[in-house]
Amino acid sequence: EPEVTQTPSHQVTQMGQEVILRCVPISNHLYFYWYRQILGQKVEFLVSFYNNEISEKSEIFDDQFSVERPDGSNFTLKIRSTKLEDSAMYFCASRTPGQGSNYGYTFGSGTRLTVV
Amino acid sequence: GENVEQHPSTLSVQEGDSAVIKCTYSDSASNYFPWYKQELGKGPQLIIDIRSNVGEKKDQRIAVTLNKTAKHFSLHITETQPEDSAVYFCAATSLGNQFYFGTGTSLTVIP
Repeated sequence: EPEVTQTPSHQVTQMGQEVILRCVPISNHLYFYWYRQILGQKVEFLVSFYNNEISEKSEIFDDQFSVERPDGSNFTLKIRSTKLEDSAMYFCASRTPGQGSNYGYTFGSGTRLTVV
Repeated sequence: GENVEQHPSTLSVQEGDSAVIKCTYSDSASNYFPWYKQELGKGPQLIIDIRSNVGEKKDQRIAVTLNKTAKHFSLHITETQPEDSAVYFCAATSLGNQFYFGTGTSLTVIP
């Protein structure tokens, strides 16, 4: 079964450092998403990306965040200068165009980011 | 925007009993309601979903019901097994764009 792959599974970084979280969406998917889940809290939407541009972003997704699809397979989330409160599990998701039985929405297994 | 409330936050049941998790949503435009199971260290996995033109859907031991008028939907797990122990999230969306998640229910099935 096709999977969304995220690397690394766990990243520890110093406060103020830049981090890049990587995702490989399912190959025929065209919509890409980042969500985050702070420990013990709900999964929160960060940003959606389609046709090489951001289509929607939440208030969490401020100027410290950026997304990129540098080639035909990767989808990255960059945090420019990490803060302690950025510590969370970050999930990438992708889906097919149109409205299939479940919109083809598939989540990756996540990257646990710890800012120290 | 959409607001999804989920309860209970924790639920313990004896193996073989049923478990019910309930969610409410606020945006009448929401038309798709998936349920996800999240095991430790893994991403959310879709287990069942329902669209707004359907009132009930069943898949083996799992069922979901939707009441559009009251804006609530529920997950029902029958004959629970220890491997059902996980965190369950409900979500709501319209047009298949961003999902609005509930706060999660930690289900423990006691052997």
